[in-house]
Amino acid sequence: DAKTTQPTSMDCAEGRAANLPCNHSTISGNEYVYWYRQIHSQGPQYIIHGLKNNETNEMASLIITEDRKSSTLILPHATLRDTAVYYCIVRGGLGGKLIFGQGTELSVKP
Amino acid sequence: DGGITQSPKYLFRKEGQNVTLSCEQNLNHDAMYWYRQDPGQGLRLIYYSQIVNDFQKGDIAEGYSVSREKKESFPLTVTSAQKNPTAFYLCASSIVEQGTDTQYFGPGTRLTVL
Repeated sequence: DAKTTQPTSMDCAEGRAANLPCNHSTISGNEYVYWYRQIHSQGPQYIIHGLKNNETNEMASLIITEDRKSSTLILPHATLRDTAVYYCIVRGGLGGKLIFGQGTELSVKP
Repeated sequence: DGGITQSPKYLFRKEGQNVTLSCEQNLNHDAMYWYRQDPGQGLRLIYYSQIVNDFQKGDIAEGYSVSREKKESFPLTVTSAQKNPTAFYLCASSIVEQGTDTQYFGPGTRLTVL
């Protein structure tokens, strides 16, 4: 599975959009981009995933560049409860483990 | 209310004792997983099962055992052979959707060896 690079930490004002970037320059054609988040002492929460098209669900939007070498997770109106570590994971195939890197620690401030 | 449940939330064990962590899902997912998380680190795969009565070792299976007798249940036993069992244990299950499988996690069990 391809390696990902994310900023260590980011701040966001409550009510504003949070844009979390992820670089995955070695991604291959059949690999998906997944986003999870983990609030302290809780299990990781699935947010969204995509292959090459932009995706949106009730939690967030995922924007994948045309060359698929990077992506951005967008939380449209961040709240204090969105404070967490956000993980970008690139994964292909079916089954097997998820590889969580260091992630981005997002702090939403009032 | 569908989801993945893990019990107990906190577990204390004396050194040398075996302990079993419960994981149940009512999502009708075929595959289930056990991960371990240590402070400030990522998740490491212990065991996984893609169908009932079958399971495979992950990266750190030594000192652990599992069973998969029912689709909805995947208990993990931490044996006395596990040298450093204090950790946060996470269970997940997955379903194949649109060509890929998405894993969903339970709330975790924090095991402390005294």
